[in-house]
Amino acid sequence: GAGVSQSPSNKVTEKGKDVELRCDPISGHTALYWYRQSLGQGLEFLIYFQGNSAPDKSGLPSDRFSAERTGGSVSTLTIQRTQQEDSAVYLCASSLAHGLATAETQYFGPGTRLLVL
Amino acid sequence: GENVEQHPSTLSVQEGDSAVIKCTYSDSASNYFPWYKQELGKGPQLIIDIRSNVGEKKDQRIAVTLNKTAKHFSLHITETQPEDSAVYFCAASIGNTPLVFGKGTRLSVIA
Repeated sequence: GAGVSQSPSNKVTEKGKDVELRCDPISGHTALYWYRQSLGQGLEFLIYFQGNSAPDKSGLPSDRFSAERTGGSVSTLTIQRTQQEDSAVYLCASSLAHGLATAETQYFGPGTRLLVL
Repeated sequence: GENVEQHPSTLSVQEGDSAVIKCTYSDSASNYFPWYKQELGKGPQLIIDIRSNVGEKKDQRIAVTLNKTAKHFSLHITETQPEDSAVYFCAASIGNTPLVFGKGTRLSVIA
């Protein structure tokens, strides 16, 4: 079946502009995660949605970052007033998780490569 | 919070040899330990995972071992092939909480 999809695949923007990144999770997956991967670095957690619960925003680096998940499916990550240090690959993952107890596999999308000039 | 350390950062092996990547974690409550392979320009892909009630798991040429007492886990790839060349990430979590990743190991398999 279809995997996690993300759009756009690449985004070049100017410092100070806002950007929106989209994630379409695997159908039926209740959990959705956003991670950031800076050049040569590991993956850094940003935000986590689980069903109808309030999202875990503890990884967002500043108040310029926000995310929404509409109808329990598609998610949008918004970065306002972009800075050069926001340049990274933004990865989305989804899983079948129905709670916190038993871990389910997180499936990753291909990522959006963001370059802030 | 959880901290995951991964070594080595780069690893070169001859085709057919074995490769071993090691990770340590800090939070004894972590109970899920996946390994991801990331090829250039792609998202990470799960290759194997292990839960804290198991000490070892094997899938063909790939195996993972977990030592809960020492808080470390390792990835073993046997009979390496050029297509195994990629960046490998270990991670840890408590159930379905967000994964905490190591910084990755760039594996090069030399034909």
